[in-house]
Amino acid sequence: GNSVTQMEGPVTLSEEAFLTINCTYTATGYPSLFWYVQYPGEGLQLLLKATKADDKGSNKGFEATYRKETTSFHLEKGSVQVSDSAVYFCALSDWGFTGGGNKLTFGTGTQLKVEL
Amino acid sequence: NAGVTQTPKFRILKIGQSMTLQCTQDMNHNYMYWYRQDPGMGLKLIYYSVGAGITDKGEVPNGYNVSRSTTEDFPLRLELAAPSQTSVYFCASREQVNNQPQHFGDGTRLSIL
Repeated sequence: GNSVTQMEGPVTLSEEAFLTINCTYTATGYPSLFWYVQYPGEGLQLLLKATKADDKGSNKGFEATYRKETTSFHLEKGSVQVSDSAVYFCALSDWGFTGGGNKLTFGTGTQLKVEL
Repeated sequence: NAGVTQTPKFRILKIGQSMTLQCTQDMNHNYMYWYRQDPGMGLKLIYYSVGAGITDKGEVPNGYNVSRSTTEDFPLRLELAAPSQTSVYFCASREQVNNQPQHFGDGTRLSIL
């Protein structure tokens, strides 16, 4: 079955540091990959997505590249801010799955804390 | 810009009580989902629906029921609340078109004592 593995947190960084959150996946079909962000007390918001191999998703300074050869979708940002403190979820949706509904499979989430 | 609206935001139940978590969306999305989020466990799919009148089980459906009488609404029912159902519940919706993301509500924090 499908699965997503993320690096465990919390990750604590100083403002303006470089961020990498690792994500690897296992899928039976042709997945699309997503990063969602959850701020305290809120629901999940889509951060970026990539729908096929070698696609790069980007938004708000965050980037992730869909690497089929390494089954990875690592999240990066060159210079984090305090306002980036949140929980980040990697997820996949396998469009080849015939179960209906194009369900998302989530990783366990990585908490990021950015300090001044 | 209402999006996906969940009510209530917080609720405390006693063991054995029942309740309905409400979810409504104003984006005319066919697909809707219920998840539960437990600490350190990510999100687990409870039930989903691909349109009015059609529902199906996800990974963790036991102890829950759903209905989908309209495109907008997708309520989740707990019949006999158990401590194991203490969690944060999220409703989500998306367009039927492939590669579209799911849109989430702000969640319902449920404690069963």
